[in-house]
Amino acid sequence: DVKVTQSSRYLVKRTGEKVFLECVQDMDHENMFWYRQDPGLGLRLIYFSYDVKMKEKGDIPEGYSVSREKKERFSLILESASTNQTSMYLCASSWVRGTDTQYFGPGTRLTVL
Amino acid sequence: GDSVTQMEGPVTLSEEAFLTINCTYTATGYPSLFWYVQYPGEGLQLLLKATKADDKGSNKGFEATYRKETTSFHLEKGSVQVSDSAVYFCALITGTASKLTFGTGTRLQVTL
Repeated sequence: DVKVTQSSRYLVKRTGEKVFLECVQDMDHENMFWYRQDPGLGLRLIYFSYDVKMKEKGDIPEGYSVSREKKERFSLILESASTNQTSMYLCASSWVRGTDTQYFGPGTRLTVL
Repeated sequence: GDSVTQMEGPVTLSEEAFLTINCTYTATGYPSLFWYVQYPGEGLQLLLKATKADDKGSNKGFEATYRKETTSFHLEKGSVQVSDSAVYFCALITGTASKLTFGTGTRLQVTL
């Protein structure tokens, strides 16, 4: 079974802090994704990566950056956390681009005070 | 752009009732369609998928048929259980795009 793990289930940070969310997949997937989930808005794509050191912006990249130094690991970085970034963050991975199934991690619920 | 519309919840049913959750879409090209489920406190799990018109995806008693003529992918189950209580998301992806487009989710609550 594909396993996607995220470093924390719950995280509480203060406004202005730098926040790192880590995601690791164990199936040698090429593609990795970061989404945020908000009530009434569904899931929205923040960034994705289709190869090591490659990244592309999704729909809502403002206030976020990413890092992919190794194939299995994809990090989401909030350079200076703000209260409007309080959300559930979900990482996903897939074999190839396009219509392949994406597999999701358990999510990190981030609260910014 | 691509979009997915699914029925607003919550949907509340008694155990063993019939379930339908409606999902319609607009997309450029020919999308693949997915239903994901999110149980309380967990991430999303793929429930079923269909990659071309008239395909039927099925899993755990749930079914959905890719209807190109009505641009729909409604989720059905003949007899729901309390353990089916969760949020259900309809989603699509087209061609070589990487982005899944999700609906807003439908919460299902099944009671005894």
